[in-house]
Amino acid sequence: EAGVVQSPRYKIIEKKQPVAFWCNPISGHNTLYWYRQNLGQGPELLIRYENEEAVDDSQLPKDRFSAERLKGVDSTLKIQPAELGDSAVYLCASSFGTGTFYEQYFGPGTRLTVT
Amino acid sequence: AQKVTQAQTEISVVEKEDVTLDCVYETRDTTYYLFWYKQPPSGELVFLIRRNSFDEQNEISGRYSWNFQKSTSSFNFTITASQVVDSAVYFCALSDHRDDKIIFGKGTRLHILP
Repeated sequence: EAGVVQSPRYKIIEKKQPVAFWCNPISGHNTLYWYRQNLGQGPELLIRYENEEAVDDSQLPKDRFSAERLKGVDSTLKIQPAELGDSAVYLCASSFGTGTFYEQYFGPGTRLTVT
Repeated sequence: AQKVTQAQTEISVVEKEDVTLDCVYETRDTTYYLFWYKQPPSGELVFLIRRNSFDEQNEISGRYSWNFQKSTSSFNFTITASQVVDSAVYFCALSDHRDDKIIFGKGTRLHILP
């Protein structure tokens, strides 16, 4: 069974530029999560989808971040414009059930460096 | 509000020693789940265990064991006879029914020295 796929793995951009991350969850998983992980910290939830619906985006900085999950499968997270403080690893995870009680399967992450 | 505290930032032990990673949590809810994840140097978090608030039985899986104590709001993780491959960052996480959110602790970086 294929795991959670993320691309790109690494991205270096200049500040004020846009950037997008893509995630393909495990087939059949209803819930998809985007996290941001700063160096030496735990993952912080940005947004959680249940199927196509964003059920928790309370931590998403909506002035510059946006996300979508088309047809309840793949998802894209965008930052526009990027700031220096956005440098982090962006993790995507998926789980089979709805709600946050299920084990999550994580992708390898996208390491973003903003210069 | 939910909170997860992993007070040990970094631990180093010599291979074959036992090591315990501490996790203390806070929640107002009576229904909640606790998790442990491992993040090896490759970066991909790997699920280790999930425990619900109504099941206080300790869990053992090979060299890994978990001690859940509601009285002290702790969910500690012990590795017996540690191996170099156990070197990783370990995260404790909490999800409760009321907030329906999941939060992670800051993690404990474990070094197993050969």
